[in-house]
Amino acid sequence: GAVVSQHPSWVICKSGTSVKIECRSLDFQATTMFWYRQFPKQSLMLMATSNEGSKATYEQGVEKDKFLINHASLTLSTLTVTSAHPEDSSFYICSARSPGNTEAFFGQGTRLTVV
Amino acid sequence: TQLLEQSPQFLSIQEGENLTVYCNSSSVFSSLQWYRQEPGEGPVLLVTVVTGGEVKKLKRLTFQFGDARKDSSLHITAAQTGDTGLYLCAGVFWGSQKLVFGQGTRLTINP
Repeated sequence: GAVVSQHPSWVICKSGTSVKIECRSLDFQATTMFWYRQFPKQSLMLMATSNEGSKATYEQGVEKDKFLINHASLTLSTLTVTSAHPEDSSFYICSARSPGNTEAFFGQGTRLTVV
Repeated sequence: TQLLEQSPQFLSIQEGENLTVYCNSSSVFSSLQWYRQEPGEGPVLLVTVVTGGEVKKLKRLTFQFGDARKDSSLHITAAQTGDTGLYLCAGVFWGSQKLVFGQGTRLTINP
């Protein structure tokens, strides 16, 4: 299957700082990327859908000013958690889909801990 | 809101037994995927079903897509301890591009 690389795998940051997470499709062009959040022992909750070159579409209840998503190229999308607080601590996962495909492939996830 | 209900959420059985996990919605899917996720990692795609009534097999795993494309099931035959993990169904609803997940099934196979 296609490879999606997410970086970093884990990050610890201080409260009030911003953290950027990268999601790259390594061997295919991803016109659509998805960002998810996963709490312990729970399923994945869709945060936003991003299409290359356009603004991301956020799910209800997700603060677009707090979770900045940029999908500037066909192989890279970034999620920036701004002014992070301890309640933002979670497992963030991206996935990518190529044009005309129904399958989405996932990155390894990023465990964010805000202290 | 288009919801995807997955059941059971927890299942603990003995090695050698069979089991079925269900994924249901009131809306039609254009496609549905099943994933398996290990702790601290991203989900890994097991199968994609697209056609109503479709059946796909992956060794001891059998995936079925309902005729109306509103439900799907995952059946595991003769479960092994290595099958232990979190199984997730995820669907793309007709007319949408979003991939939405069910609640997941945490499966434990006891030796």
